[in-house]
Amino acid sequence: AQSVTQLGSHVSVSEGALVLLRCNYSSSVPPYLFWYVQYPNQGLQLLLKYTSAATLVKGINGFEAEFKKSETSFHLTKPSAHMSDAAEYFCAVTLGAGSYQLTFGKGTKLSVIP
Amino acid sequence: DAGVIQSPRHEVTEMGQEVTLRCKPISGHNSLFWYRQTMMRGLELLIYFNNNVPIDDSGMPEDRFSAKMPNASFSTLKIQPSEPRDSAVYFCASRGLAGDIGELFFGEGSRLTVL
Repeated sequence: AQSVTQLGSHVSVSEGALVLLRCNYSSSVPPYLFWYVQYPNQGLQLLLKYTSAATLVKGINGFEAEFKKSETSFHLTKPSAHMSDAAEYFCAVTLGAGSYQLTFGKGTKLSVIP
Repeated sequence: DAGVIQSPRHEVTEMGQEVTLRCKPISGHNSLFWYRQTMMRGLELLIYFNNNVPIDDSGMPEDRFSAKMPNASFSTLKIQPSEPRDSAVYFCASRGLAGDIGELFFGEGSRLTVL
């Protein structure tokens, strides 16, 4: 079984400040990990994914995430927040190529203050 | 290319009525998922189809919920009779080849309100 925990249901940052959204996972086998973003009244779209290649993964819109096995973490970062980054972010885990089960965290809503 | 198309975008109905939500996946995708999103429970997988065949329906809440995929380009999720606790946003998502690990393409959702 696998699960993800997102620390903080709501994060506020100032425009231009660092964005850090936390995700910890639990998995019985090496996981594949994902970050999705959901803008208001829209569906989720993939930001980036870790599939056992490089531990530092770069995604769209300047976001990146680092897989740390020792900490069972996959935190999402962006050096400088933009107003357009305001959205809800979901961390997700699956058990690998043969698995269809994508387990999502509860989400973290990011607010960007001008 | 068109993405996943869901209809209706919004549905308001009264308790006891039948509700049908529709989904057209991305052409060529062979996997289809129905998710439900609520504030309390987050995103829950209701049912997963592969090549039009239901593979896992363990997330379907109860017998009031049913889903079909008569062909590769259409799926429905039906609730009969509907109850206020079914109020949620229902998402359809599709996925392509097995190599596209975890990359689901979501529709914009159907927001259901049951009064």
